[in-house]
Amino acid sequence: EIVMTQSPATLSVSPGERATLSCRASQSVSSNLAWYQQKPGQAPRLLIYGASTRATGIPARFSGSGSGTEFTLTISSLQSEDFAVYYCQQYNNWPPENTFGQGTKLEIK
Amino acid sequence: EVQLVESGGGLVKPGGSLRLSCAASGFTFSSYSMNWVRQAPGKGLEWVSSISSSSSYIYYADSVKGRFTISRDNAKNSLYLQMNSLRAEDTAVYYCARDPGDYDPPYWGQGTLVTVSS
Repeated sequence: EIVMTQSPATLSVSPGERATLSCRASQSVSSNLAWYQQKPGQAPRLLIYGASTRATGIPARFSGSGSGTEFTLTISSLQSEDFAVYYCQQYNNWPPENTFGQGTKLEIK
Repeated sequence: EVQLVESGGGLVKPGGSLRLSCAASGFTFSSYSMNWVRQAPGKGLEWVSSISSSSSYIYYADSVKGRFTISRDNAKNSLYLQMNSLRAEDTAVYYCARDPGDYDPPYWGQGTLVTVSS
């Protein structure tokens, strides 16, 4: 079974700075990886799929990279609305057991 | 526009039952595998169950196996989750989620809250 590990658990960054979030898979998931943003009381919002394709309506400051087992979500210049919890999800294996990372909380420094 | 709308959540006593529904629109429902994902209060995302496009393959998380049943009606563009023998630890927001296609993304609904409490 695949295990998805996100780091760090919490990331403190100042508005306007760059944030880099990591997601590691215990075995290759090719490019079958998505990133989600979740704010309190809201459903997860898809940011990136296929490891690097931005979903419709997602600002260009969000970018995804990586393949195989190592993935990165970069937010180039943090806006106030970007402070949230971010999850990665692999969809290379089906059914998607252990499909999600544990999340990274991005907080204001 | 792809839409997934969950319904059927609510307050239920331990040991009780509930049936969740997910109404799909904006895509060819019968061509995609579907999933239920849940999120307990203050916790991360947990996969619950998956069903293939023609219902040939069905899988459950160990935490719900033997208690929950996933099903779908492709004629009605609907996904279901029958939840029996509910426990306090099943309290969560339940999301309906569509698998990605070869070139299109995954989609999620807005969720429905299930609260198991006496």
